[in-house]
Amino acid sequence: QKEVEQDPGPLSVPEGAIVSLNCTYSNSAFQYFMWYRQYSRKGPELLMYTYSSGNKEDGRFTAQVDKSSKYISLFIRDSQPCDSATFLCAMHSGGYQKVTFGTGTKLQVIP
Amino acid sequence: DARVTQTPRDKVTEMGQEVTMRCQPILGHNTVFWYRQTMKQGLELLAYFRNRAPLDDSGMPKDRFSAEMPDATLATLKIQPSEPRDSAVYFCASGLWGGDTQAFFGQGTRLTVV
Repeated sequence: QKEVEQDPGPLSVPEGAIVSLNCTYSNSAFQYFMWYRQYSRKGPELLMYTYSSGNKEDGRFTAQVDKSSKYISLFIRDSQPCDSATFLCAMHSGGYQKVTFGTGTKLQVIP
Repeated sequence: DARVTQTPRDKVTEMGQEVTMRCQPILGHNTVFWYRQTMKQGLELLAYFRNRAPLDDSGMPKDRFSAEMPDATLATLKIQPSEPRDSAVYFCASGLWGGDTQAFFGQGTRLTVV
């Protein structure tokens, strides 16, 4: 079993929909949680970064972390065709530890 | 605009040939990662360096892969001999490590071994 599990999708939604992307993890030492967005033939780019449990909002994006359930989410409000990409969750335990990634969820927003 | 630069972007090679991928991390970053991405496995960490010293290369097949940082501006990943199963996109990422760590990725090298 992988340390980080993520549904690969694909997830297809109409423009304007609210999108929910999720990851579960097994390592209770993880404290730092990230969401990356990756467009086709590009490298992943950091979208959201959170520490420990709680919510963080940035524009149309909200990241949620529930450490008690070992579950993290990314919500996208008013989704746009330009949001069509693969979204990867990532996490690490702080200090000098390596970053572990989920396999990514492919999202398609249909105009 | 600081960015991680990887070369080449695409590489097609025959089985058994040596492949070298290069990465220029963002100036000032002290940590460099090599990842491999496939549809099946997603992003897998191959190796990472802190202040040019290898910290963990347990994700790398040791018999054919090697990673080095000859200086602070260059990281290399070498495969010798290459095999078709090595076909993947290889990403380099760099970061300034501490508690609040963010990894910045290059555009990747798409390797095809035929």
